[in-house]
Amino acid sequence: DSGVTQTPKHLITATGQRVTLRCSPRSGDLSVYWYQQSLDQGLQFLIQYYNGEERAKGNILERFSAQQFPDLHSELNLSSLELGDSALYFCASSVAVGDFYEQYFGPGTRLTVT
Amino acid sequence: AQKITQTQPGMFVQEKEAVTLDCTYDTSDPSYGLFWYKQPSSGEMIFLIYQGSYDQQNATEGRYSLNFQKARKSANLVISASQLGDSAMYFCAMRPDMGRRALTFGSGTRLQVQP
Repeated sequence: DSGVTQTPKHLITATGQRVTLRCSPRSGDLSVYWYQQSLDQGLQFLIQYYNGEERAKGNILERFSAQQFPDLHSELNLSSLELGDSALYFCASSVAVGDFYEQYFGPGTRLTVT
Repeated sequence: AQKITQTQPGMFVQEKEAVTLDCTYDTSDPSYGLFWYKQPSSGEMIFLIYQGSYDQQNATEGRYSLNFQKARKSANLVISASQLGDSAMYFCAMRPDMGRRALTFGSGTRLQVQP
C-alpha cells in the first residue's frame, strides 16, 4: 500500500459526459501528480500541484482540469469525454527519501468511455 | 526535453535465471534521476529502484540492480533469480533533476517468467 488513495476505482460513462477523479496524497506530501496511461499514448504526465498551486503542466487537454484543495487532496475533472479518453488515471505524491524524491503512485482509476 | 526508450516490448525468462531489461535515455539536463517501476496485471505502479546521475555506484535493491552507464546513456534493470511473481510490465522513467519534477516514462517491457 503506497498510502496514496484514489476514488473511484472504476468509472464507466458515456461520450460527452463529465467526471471527477479524486486523489488523496500520502500524509504530509504536498505534491500531487496526475498521469494518464492509455494503450496508444502510454504513460504520460498531465499536471502537477504543490501545496494548492499548479506547478507544472504536461500533455493535459483543455477539456481536462485539476485542482488541489487546502487539505491537499486533488481532483481531476474530465469533460466532454471522448472514446479516446478511456485510460487508467494515476495520481502520485512525492516524498524526500535521502537525497531524492520518490513518487508513490495510487492504485489508479480506470475510466471507460462508451 | 527528455526521452526514454525501451526497445524490448516483451521478454521471457526461466524461473531462477537472471534477466536484463534495457533502457536508454536522452536528456540535456546536467543532473537527473532514473527510476524503474513494476506494474503487475492488477495495475498498480510499484517503485523498484532509483539511480541519480551523479551516483558513482550502481543502485541495488534486493534482487534488483540498475546497470548505469552514463556515457552510453543507458540504465538497464537486472533482476536476479527471477520468480513467477516478477511477471509484469516494467517501466523505466526519468526526471530532469533531483527534485519534485514529474516523470517521463518509456513504453515498457512485458516480462514473463516461465516455470
